[in-house]
Amino acid sequence: DQQVKQNSPSLSVQEGRISILNCDYTNSMFDYFLWYKKYPAEGPTFLISISSIKDKNEDGRFTVFLNKSAKHLSLHIVPSQPGDSAVYFCAAGRQGNLIFGKGTKLSVKP
Amino acid sequence: DAGITQSPRYKITETGRQVTLMCHQTWSHSYMFWYRQDLGHGLRLIYYSAAADITDKGEVPDGYVVSRSKTENFPLTLESATRSQTSVYFCASSDLLGTGNSGTEAFFGQGTRLTVV
Repeated sequence: DQQVKQNSPSLSVQEGRISILNCDYTNSMFDYFLWYKKYPAEGPTFLISISSIKDKNEDGRFTVFLNKSAKHLSLHIVPSQPGDSAVYFCAAGRQGNLIFGKGTKLSVKP
Repeated sequence: DAGITQSPRYKITETGRQVTLMCHQTWSHSYMFWYRQDLGHGLRLIYYSAAADITDKGEVPDGYVVSRSKTENFPLTLESATRSQTSVYFCASSDLLGTGNSGTEAFFGQGTRLTVV
């Protein structure tokens, strides 16, 4: 059973608009959550993280929201840029056991 | 060079052969990880290690063996490779995960593309 789920395999957004990527998890014991971005033929690169004790973390154009009661987190990218086109993975962890979702492919159209 | 490096970048091996993928990091991070990436499955955790001589199974450990005799190295061995182990393998390292803070990110290597024929 998947512990971390990204139910949308792809998302297409117009440049300048908001991109919202969603992630659900099943294990309430996760301590922290992270978002990664991945380009083809490269390793994932870290974007932003949030602790389970917070509900929001912001870094520039990227904001992560955590709703623990719903076991849901989301990544907002505002404004979206063509260079943001990539596969985005959410991950959840507890004591080193870091589990990733299947990823969402974001396409930002000029 | 500082960072995390994987070798080889590409490998073709035959079914039944033993193959070892290498991972080396220069940050002295305590945690290291091995993931495999497959279409439709995303990144799946194979094994991770919290420190030298401490390893734990992840989501898909069967058919793999790891060791961590030194903090900086975390080799992954396929003892008898099968075609289902054809994948892209990523190694990662991190420091002090799970502290309840915002979460220290894991840094990934460039990946090893393994083909088992």
